[in-house]
Amino acid sequence: DIQMTQSPSSLSASIGDRVTITCRASQDISNYLAWYQQKPGKVPQLLIYAASTLQSEVPLRFSGSGSGTDFTLTISSLQPEDVATYYCQKYTSAPFTFGPGTKVDIK
Amino acid sequence: EVQLVESGGVVVQPGGSLRLSCVASGFTFDDYAMHWVRQGPGKGLEWVSLISWDGGSTYYADSVKGRFTISRDNTKNSLFLELNSLRTEDSGFYYCAKTIMGATPLGNWGQGTLVTVSS
Repeated sequence: DIQMTQSPSSLSASIGDRVTITCRASQDISNYLAWYQQKPGKVPQLLIYAASTLQSEVPLRFSGSGSGTDFTLTISSLQPEDVATYYCQKYTSAPFTFGPGTKVDIK
Repeated sequence: EVQLVESGGVVVQPGGSLRLSCVASGFTFDDYAMHWVRQGPGKGLEWVSLISWDGGSTYYADSVKGRFTISRDNTKNSLFLELNSLRTEDSGFYYCAKTIMGATPLGNWGQGTLVTVSS
C-alpha cells in the first residue's frame, strides 16, 4: 500500500506569514491528492482536490501544488481562523490513506 | 443544504458488535459514493471504507477488512457500517462522508458518532 507522510508535524507562525506544508507519497499518485482542514473540536473540511483545485468557498489564500510523489499546501497569509490540523489524502485507489497531519497554530 | 446525520455509537465490550447508520438529505443520495472515516481520541484521520453509488463495489482499510461491512439503502437515503469483533483500537468518532461529483474526495462530512470499545 502507498504510505503518506507530512512535514512538519506541527508549526507556529505569525499572522500574515506564508505557511507551507509538505505531503509525500511513497509511490507516484499523479495528482490524486486532497487536502483537508480540521479546526479544533470541528469536523474536517475539504480544502483542495486534484492537488491544486480549490473546493468552493475556500479562501483564495489557500493553494496546492505538486504531482507524482511531492505535494505542498500553502497558506499565503496566515489568519487566526486558520489554526487547525491539515491532512493530505491520496485517492488513486483504495486504501484512501490520510497523512498523519500537520498542526498549525499562531506564534 | 447537504446534511449527514450519524447514529448508533455506543459503549461496547471487546469482541462485541454494533451497526452505525447515516441518514443523508439535501442531495441525490444515489448519485454519490459514500465513505466512512474514523478518528481515535487525540489521533489523526483514518479512512475506513467506501461504497459505490449502487452498493455494487465496496472497499475497506486493511485494519477492518473481514470485521466491518459497509452497505447502503438508496430507497431510504441511508448508509450503514456494521462493526464486528470489535477491539479497543476501534474506539473513536466515526464519520460518514459524501464524495464530490465525479471524484473520490470527501466533500461533506457528518458530525460523527462515538464508538467506545471497553470492558
